[in-house]
Amino acid sequence: GAGVSQTPSNKVTEKGKYVELRCDPISGHTALYWYRQSLGQGPEFLIYFQGTGAADDSGLPNDRFFAVRPEGSVSTLKIQRTERGDSAVYLCASSFMGAGGNEQFFGPGTRLTVL
Amino acid sequence: AQRVTQPEKLLSVFKGAPVELKCNYSYSGSPELFWYVQYSRQRLQLLLRHISRESIKGFTADLNKGETSFHLKKPFAQEEDSAMYYCALIGSNYKLTFGKGTLLTVNP
Repeated sequence: GAGVSQTPSNKVTEKGKYVELRCDPISGHTALYWYRQSLGQGPEFLIYFQGTGAADDSGLPNDRFFAVRPEGSVSTLKIQRTERGDSAVYLCASSFMGAGGNEQFFGPGTRLTVL
Repeated sequence: AQRVTQPEKLLSVFKGAPVELKCNYSYSGSPELFWYVQYSRQRLQLLLRHISRESIKGFTADLNKGETSFHLKKPFAQEEDSAMYYCALIGSNYKLTFGKGTLLTVNP
């Protein structure tokens, strides 16, 4: 089967614009995670979904960031009033159960550039 | 708070030489430790995890709780091992905390 997919692969936008990043997890995976990777850094946790609900959004940097997963499958990360500091690679991962011991499978990422 | 430290940003070795990528962690409980690898133009993928105690692609890593380390080792490096390596941990929750990564270059 297919792995985690993310669209678009690249997104260039202007400061102040709104963007949406999409993640399609592995079929049957109930847990979905968003991470952000800035240049020269490891991925940093943003938000975790178990099913349709956000179980933990403590990593979202501020209220400009929001994510949804309305049907428990595809997730969308939404960023309002983008800033140049939001430029990064946004990674999505999914796992079967979401417990600490389950492997997280990563997507290829969306590279966001805010001009 | 949980933290992962990879002290080397870059590591360069010759083919056939031993390689060790260092990882130290900070966590008050019993974490699960992982090594992830990202080859050029590929996605991040799991290399190994301490609970499975496996050797993957000739790599091994032993969790040393006394030294809070989880160093990745391979006795004879190959050119195809050139990649970015990230050490990561999961504590009492499901969040992966990553180090900043080490770029390994294996020269012919």
